[in-house]
Amino acid sequence: NAGVTQTPKFQVLKTGQSMTLQCAQDMNHNSMYWYRQDPGMGLRLIYYSASEGTTDKGEVPNGYNVSRLNKREFSLRLESAAPSQTSVYFCASSETTGANQPQHFGDGTRLSIL
Amino acid sequence: GESVGLHLPTLSVQEGDNSIINCAYSNSASDYFIWYKQESGKGPQFIIDIRSNMDKRQGQRVTVLLNKTVKHLSLQIAATQPGDSAVYFCAEKGTGFQKLVFGTGTRLLVSP
Repeated sequence: NAGVTQTPKFQVLKTGQSMTLQCAQDMNHNSMYWYRQDPGMGLRLIYYSASEGTTDKGEVPNGYNVSRLNKREFSLRLESAAPSQTSVYFCASSETTGANQPQHFGDGTRLSIL
Repeated sequence: GESVGLHLPTLSVQEGDNSIINCAYSNSASDYFIWYKQESGKGPQFIIDIRSNMDKRQGQRVTVLLNKTVKHLSLQIAATQPGDSAVYFCAEKGTGFQKLVFGTGTRLLVSP
């Protein structure tokens, strides 16, 4: 049982390049999330998808777009990468939003923007 | 606004000791709390959760205590093992949809 799978694990980009981070979950969860993790800060929510067909902004959505491709997959796109987007990106999923359930995380994508 | 913080950034213990990791939260309306463990190079791993209508919940070697009066959460790990070395985060569920607010984490170092 893989849980939440993220690809790639590592990536280096130049400023201005674009990239899509992929995430898939095999737990039949309805809700999916993208976070970024920076040193000295807690995880911050970028975007989330409460259910297939819906997406909403989180705390730090600027510079990102998302696509909920189907129930399993939720991708994060950087259209024009900036050094400030250097971070570790985590995807998570939960059965639903708005209920007392834990979110389950992938192992992250480590992204460096030069 | 909502915030979740930790008292100690690093906790060092000996193998076999009991560990206690603390967390303060600011939103008295929060109704759900989670502890995560994060090992180097890995994503956060769910350990245990507790709802606001409970004061204590036990898992395997772990216990979470919730004190709503002082808005304090703690994670107790019994008989700490080297494999417990990691960063531990608490998170609280804020208002509205299941938006989790994460603390910055406490690093637990277990010496043999």
